[in-house]
Amino acid sequence: ETGVTQSPTHLIKTRGQQVTLRCSSQSGHNTVSWYQQALGQGPQFIFQYYREEENGRGNFPPRFSGLQFPNYSSELNVNALELDDSALYLCASAPGTYYTSPLHFGNGTRLTVT
Amino acid sequence: KNEVEQSPQNLTAQEGEFITINCSYSVGISALHWLQQHPGGGIVSLFMLSSGKKKHGRLIATINIQEKHSSLHITASHPRDSAVYICAPLSGSGGGADGLTFGKGTHLIIQP
Repeated sequence: ETGVTQSPTHLIKTRGQQVTLRCSSQSGHNTVSWYQQALGQGPQFIFQYYREEENGRGNFPPRFSGLQFPNYSSELNVNALELDDSALYLCASAPGTYYTSPLHFGNGTRLTVT
Repeated sequence: KNEVEQSPQNLTAQEGEFITINCSYSVGISALHWLQQHPGGGIVSLFMLSSGKKKHGRLIATINIQEKHSSLHITASHPRDSAVYICAPLSGSGGGADGLTFGKGTHLIIQP
């Protein structure tokens, strides 16, 4: 039990639609990051938030955006969905930085774009 | 960009065997995470280390910063250890996850 909850667990969307994925972290986890994991691959970093501010971003287009809320929950929004967006989306949180704290992952949201 | 290589990519072993998974990376780092991912997607953090060796139960992780290499060992392996094991070295500064690069993982199957 990592204390990180993601919803929904599975989602099917049509190309061109928009989607919002949610992550609820443990109290006190000020750092949250989101990852995209394609089948058979390792996770790819999308972006990170620290105390509601984005402070790091991977190589993903602007149609991937996020928010972090004061109650330690966060969102990943993806606009204009493409077939290649089909993947497992993971969030991870930590009380401090990733240099000093272990990561706490959610179980992920499996997104299928048709 | 940190290139991360894990070996082997796939490993099938018998219950009780000693397991070693290796991770090499190309860029100097300040820390490295070992993660375990079960079918269905959930990831569990096993270790975070920046030097030497850490042990937790039957799991041991070592790292050699100078040689850019880390290993994960499982003693007395059990079928419940079957999972994908991922190393994630952390380079850069500032504590951001933009310095976190993931290997593709080692798919381990332990047969009874």
